[in-house]
Amino acid sequence: DTEVTQTPKHLVMGMTNKKSLKCEQHMGHRAMYWYKQKAKKPPELMFVYSYEKLSINESVPSRFSPECPNSSLLNLHLHALQPEDSALYLCASSQDGGAATGANVLTFGAGSRLTVL
Amino acid sequence: DQQVKQNSPSLSVQEGRISILNCDYTNSMFDYFLWYKKYPAEGPTFLISISSIKDKNEDGRFTVFLNKSAKHLSLHIVPSQPGDSAVYFCAASRSGANSKLTFGKGITLSVRP
Repeated sequence: DTEVTQTPKHLVMGMTNKKSLKCEQHMGHRAMYWYKQKAKKPPELMFVYSYEKLSINESVPSRFSPECPNSSLLNLHLHALQPEDSALYLCASSQDGGAATGANVLTFGAGSRLTVL
Repeated sequence: DQQVKQNSPSLSVQEGRISILNCDYTNSMFDYFLWYKKYPAEGPTFLISISSIKDKNEDGRFTVFLNKSAKHLSLHIVPSQPGDSAVYFCAASRSGANSKLTFGKGITLSVRP
C-alpha cells in the first residue's frame, strides 16, 4: 500500500460548525504533515507530526487543531473557521521526517477541498 | 519572502521535444531539491530529487540539473509526452530531523500532441 488516503474529498461548512478532516497511511511512515494550498499558490506547511508527537506548528490559528491518534492516522479538527480558510488541505507522510540521510520524500494524499460559507 | 521561485507560470511544448522547467532558490542552507508533479484533483506526486553535493540526477526521461553557485536548478523531460501535462512544483529542504519542504509556486506544463 503506497497511498495516503484523505476523507472527505469535499467539505462545505458554516463558520459555526465543527468538522474534521481525516488522513490515513499504511506505509509505516513515522512523519505526517498537513499542508494548505490556495488556488495558484504553492502548498504551505501547517503542522508536522514526528513519531506521533507534534514537532512543527507553523503559527497556525487555534481554530485548526491537529491530532495524531496513532502512527497511521492524522486528523485536522476545524472549528469556527473563516471564509478565507477555504482551500485544499493536503495530508502527506514520509519515512522519518528527514532524520536519516537522504531527501525527505513526502507522499501526498489527493486532498480535501474545504469551503467555508 | 519566497525562498523557492518558479518565475515562469506556464510552458507549452510539442510532443517529442524537450521540456525545461526552471527553479531558483535563495537559501544556501538547502541540502535537497525535489520535483513534484500535480494533476487536477490529485495530490502532488514525487518525481525526482537531487542532493546539493551533486550536479545531475537522471531517472528515465527526467533529469534534474543543479547549479549551486547560481542557486538554480532545472528539470528536463525528454521526450515530452501529452501525459506529462500537469503542474510541476520545485521544492527544497534541509537535511536532518523535522526538515520542512518549501515549495515554489509551480509551472503549468502543456504538451501539445
